[in-house]
Amino acid sequence: DQQVKQNSPSLSVQEGRISILNCDYTNSMFDYFLWYKKYPAEGPTFLISISSIKDKNEDGRFTVFLNKSAKHLSLHIVPSQPGDSAVYFCAASVYSGAGSYQLTFGKGTKLSVIP
Amino acid sequence: NAGVTQTPKFQVLKTGQSMTLQCAQDMNHEYMSWYRQDPGMGLRLIHYSVGAGITDQGEVPNGYNVSRSTTEDFPLRLLSAAPSQTSVYFCASSYSTGVGNTIYFGEGSWLTVV
Repeated sequence: DQQVKQNSPSLSVQEGRISILNCDYTNSMFDYFLWYKKYPAEGPTFLISISSIKDKNEDGRFTVFLNKSAKHLSLHIVPSQPGDSAVYFCAASVYSGAGSYQLTFGKGTKLSVIP
Repeated sequence: NAGVTQTPKFQVLKTGQSMTLQCAQDMNHEYMSWYRQDPGMGLRLIHYSVGAGITDQGEVPNGYNVSRSTTEDFPLRLLSAAPSQTSVYFCASSYSTGVGNTIYFGEGSWLTVV
């Protein structure tokens, strides 16, 4: 049972336009959400996060929106740049006992920004 | 800045062989974990540790063993390699397991089992 879903395996966007990456989740106990970016042959790197008590978090060109009622979050990149071309993973955090939080990752969306 | 260091980067094993993937971090992080990434499957947690001497299973622990004798090191052992363990393995660490703590990943280890 996939608890974090990224239904679009790939996305192509023109340079300068907005990129919108979507993520849906099923576990209402998730309380923190993160986006990771991964280039080929490298490990994932943290991009931006949002607590479940907020509905928006912004960091430069990157904004994450959270709709708790719909169990949906999205990552907006404006304007998109060729260097943003990567695989983006959505992740959700839940308390798993004994002071430990666990991350569940989606399958990732490959973003291609076309110059 | 070394961060999270994994070795080896590439490895080919024969079915039934055993090996250890090494992971070291120099950030004095308490929390370390191992993930595997397979095509179309995202990142799945294999084992994790909340501190030296403490380990626990993740989502896909079968066929793997871990230990945490020091804060810095968290090796992942494949006991008897199987083709299903062909994957990219990522070690990760964070300061604590508290919500919102950023997890830092190593660069990955590409393992092929033939």
